[in-house]
Order: sequence, then C-alpha cells, then structure tokens
Amino acid sequence: EVQLVESGGGLVQPGGSLRLSCVASGFTFRSYSMKWVRQAPGKGLEWISYISTSGLGNKFDADSVKGRFTISRDDAKNSLYLQMNSLGVEDTAVYYCAREGGYCSGTTCYYYSDYWGQGTLVTVSS
Amino acid sequence: DIQMTQSPSSLSASVGDRVTITCRASQSIASYLNWYQQEAGKAPKLLIYAASSLQSGVPSRFSGSGSGTHFTLTISSLQPEDIATYFCQQSYSLPRTFGQGTKVEIK
Repeated sequence: EVQLVESGGGLVQPGGSLRLSCVASGFTFRSYSMKWVRQAPGKGLEWISYISTSGLGNKFDADSVKGRFTISRDDAKNSLYLQMNSLGVEDTAVYYCAREGGYCSGTTCYYYSDYWGQGTLVTVSS
Repeated sequence: DIQMTQSPSSLSASVGDRVTITCRASQSIASYLNWYQQEAGKAPKLLIYAASSLQSGVPSRFSGSGSGTHFTLTISSLQPEDIATYFCQQSYSLPRTFGQGTKVEIK
C-alpha cells in the first residue's frame, strides 16, 4: 500500500524557518517525481514545489515561494523535504506531499498527483 | 503561468441529479487536465486524468470531457458521499496550477 506521511509542521514566528518531511512507503520512491502542495485555511490548492527523480535532477518552485523554500529528496531514506525560510503569515497552510504519477500513450505523457499524504499544518503567527 | 477558472464556485443539488462542473484554461492545454475530489478535512483524491480517463477505483458515475481550453466534470447521479470540493488542475506546464474549486452540497 502506498503511503506518504508528512511531519514537521507547527507554529513559527514570522521570519522563522521550518523543515517539513515526507516519508514514503509502498512504492519505489526513487522512480517518481514528487511535489509539495499547500492549502491555506478555507482556500484552494496551491502547487508550490516540484522535484524530479534524482537522475533528471530538475526542480521547480512557484513564484510565491521562490528563493525562500527549497525542495530536496533523499532516496536512500525514501524521504522528501521542504526547507522553508523567511516565513510570512501568508504561508500559513496545510502542506501536502504528493507523488507524481503518469500515463503515457505513444510519445504523449500525462502527469497527475495520484497519492497524497494526510498533510501537516504550518501556522505562522507572532 | 496558466490560469484555471472553475464555475460555479458552489452548487446545491438533489441526490440523483446530474451535476456538471466547468473548468477553463487561460490557454490551450490539449488534454492535460486532471480533476480531484477533496472531502472536508481530507487530502485531495485523484478522479480523472488526461481530461477523460477515470482513475482506478473511482465510481463510473464520474466522467470528464473536453480539450483545449474548455473542460467539464460530470457526476451522472449525485450521491451523498459525493459531497466535497472539486478542483481541476492543468498538467501542461509547470507550475501545475489548480482551479479555485467547486463546492458541491446536497439540497
């Protein structure tokens, strides 16, 4: 059974830092791209950060977190991380890690988030 | 970034009703469109990928259609367990942006 378990959320003051972790099980972690998606209280989903497989070595961050958040992975530990610096009140949200699944038909590949963790709440407040 | 716009923002329907949610992209995204269901307090769940392909285990009353810039998610016969917020997402380019969501309630 595929499982993603996030941890590391909590209360932090504005300007502070936090590191989120996501431990994966039930699949070959190193073979999948991963991402972080967040959801502010009562709001919609915001895709914030993506990392490809280690072999490809690609990362992508949304403008809202670029330069402040860093995504990384440790395939030996089946783990995904999000280092969050210079946190502001606008970063208050539930943070989900998700696996990027894909379906290819010929040369066309479609990607989606097929498994999600339960989320970890980050609250930025003084 | 590609902007995704859903309508309506919320809807109320009776059990057994046919429900349709629309998603529009700010530019053509071919069939690179996913739909997710999020029940209150839970993580999102993938329903549809590639605009019309049903994810394994998802009831057949859910269907997706469209291509280019206009997409729809249809629930053929609304059930009480379908009460949730539904999000579309484009997978044409990074960042993979979401629509703002459509909240479905029972009348």
